[in-house]
Amino acid sequence: EDQVTQSPEALRLQEGESSSLNCSYTVSGLRGLFWYRQDPGKGPEFLFTLYSAGEEKEKERLKATLTKKESFLHITAPKPEDSATYLCAVQAINFGNEKLTFGTGTRLTIIP
Amino acid sequence: NAGVTQTPKFRILKIGQSMTLQCTQDMNHNYMYWYRQDPGMGLKLIYYSVGAGITDKGEVPNGYNVSRSTTEDFPLRLELAAPSQTSVYFCASRKNRGRYEQYFGPGTRLTVT
Repeated sequence: EDQVTQSPEALRLQEGESSSLNCSYTVSGLRGLFWYRQDPGKGPEFLFTLYSAGEEKEKERLKATLTKKESFLHITAPKPEDSATYLCAVQAINFGNEKLTFGTGTRLTIIP
Repeated sequence: NAGVTQTPKFRILKIGQSMTLQCTQDMNHNYMYWYRQDPGMGLKLIYYSVGAGITDKGEVPNGYNVSRSTTEDFPLRLELAAPSQTSVYFCASRKNRGRYEQYFGPGTRLTVT
């Protein structure tokens, strides 16, 4: 069974203090690993897709990396507007599989 | 493009009542999905559709039904609502083959009392 574990559950950082969020996964063949941002009362907003170990994607202050067992979301010099819950999901490569398996998220708070 | 839109935003149902959650996308995506999100749990797939007229069950389909008569619309029907269906419901869609990221709507918060 596919599994996703995110850590830490919550993280409080000072503005400008860089850190990383972790997503550990087990899947029977990876089609893709996805990062989403979710603000309170809103739907998940797509950030990145990673397909294979060694791949990296960047967007503004965020960089996502992937190994065969985990992914990291690095946040550099964060600002208060980066405060949100960050969700990780994986999709197995089985034929006809449309299911994303989500983690429970990391709630990130950036303090001005 | 408005993307994925959902109505209503909030709804309170009594036990045993029925309702339909509406979902529309204007991106000409073939694939559409319904998820529920409960506190402390990851999003769970309820039903999905790979195109008009084709639907299939996800992880937690019991108590729900779907239909897909057009590319744009994918309504979720709750029959005989139960307190266990209290949740936040998200609709999502994705492009055709080769692009697997899903784009989510704003959600419907449903309370069954």
